[in-house]
Amino acid sequence: NAGVMQNPRHLVRRRGQEARLRCSPMKGHSHVYWYRQLPEEGLKFMVYLQKENIIDESGMPKERFSAEFPKEGPSILRIQQVVRGDSAAYFCASSPSGGASDTQYFGPGTRLTVL
Amino acid sequence: GNSVTQMEGPVTLSEEAFLTINCTYTATGYPSLFWYVQYPGEGLQLLLKATKADDKGSNKGFEATYRKETTSFHLEKGSVQVSDSAVYFCALRGYSGGGADGLTFGKGTHLIIQP
Repeated sequence: NAGVMQNPRHLVRRRGQEARLRCSPMKGHSHVYWYRQLPEEGLKFMVYLQKENIIDESGMPKERFSAEFPKEGPSILRIQQVVRGDSAAYFCASSPSGGASDTQYFGPGTRLTVL
Repeated sequence: GNSVTQMEGPVTLSEEAFLTINCTYTATGYPSLFWYVQYPGEGLQLLLKATKADDKGSNKGFEATYRKETTSFHLEKGSVQVSDSAVYFCALRGYSGGGADGLTFGKGTHLIIQP
């Protein structure tokens, strides 16, 4: 049973470009979460999605960031007009349901570097 | 809002030493509590969890007990090994509004075990 898949593992963008990060949840999981790990800051929740719905986006920056989880295909975290401060590791996690006691299974992360 | 406080380290111990990593939390209601471990360059792996007061989570020799009266979830291991060297994150997940929140993480504790 494959785990959570993320690609690319490493992404380099120049300031002003767009970054697209993909996440395929574990088989049978319909709940996806995105987290950002900034140097010296730890992991911060960004957004929680269920198929075709955004459940909680309270951790998403108001501008330039968006996320989707379509009926078919992976979840996408999109960052428009990237800036140096967006350089971080972005982790996706999935769970079979949305209960607070459910374990979230994490992918290996995408490390974004903005030049 | 929810918050997690843990000792940041680095914590350096000799092999076979006893380990305690302190974790305290602030949350409304009755959150679920988790310990995750991150090895260099990898994503997070669930180490153990507890979903209600007085529950004890355990895995691979690690233990933590959900103490509601002290709002704590300290991680312990009786005899550490070099392979336990990693970053350990305490996390909680509670409820707000209409459903479960994303995970709230502590800043992580870097553990170094010397032979």
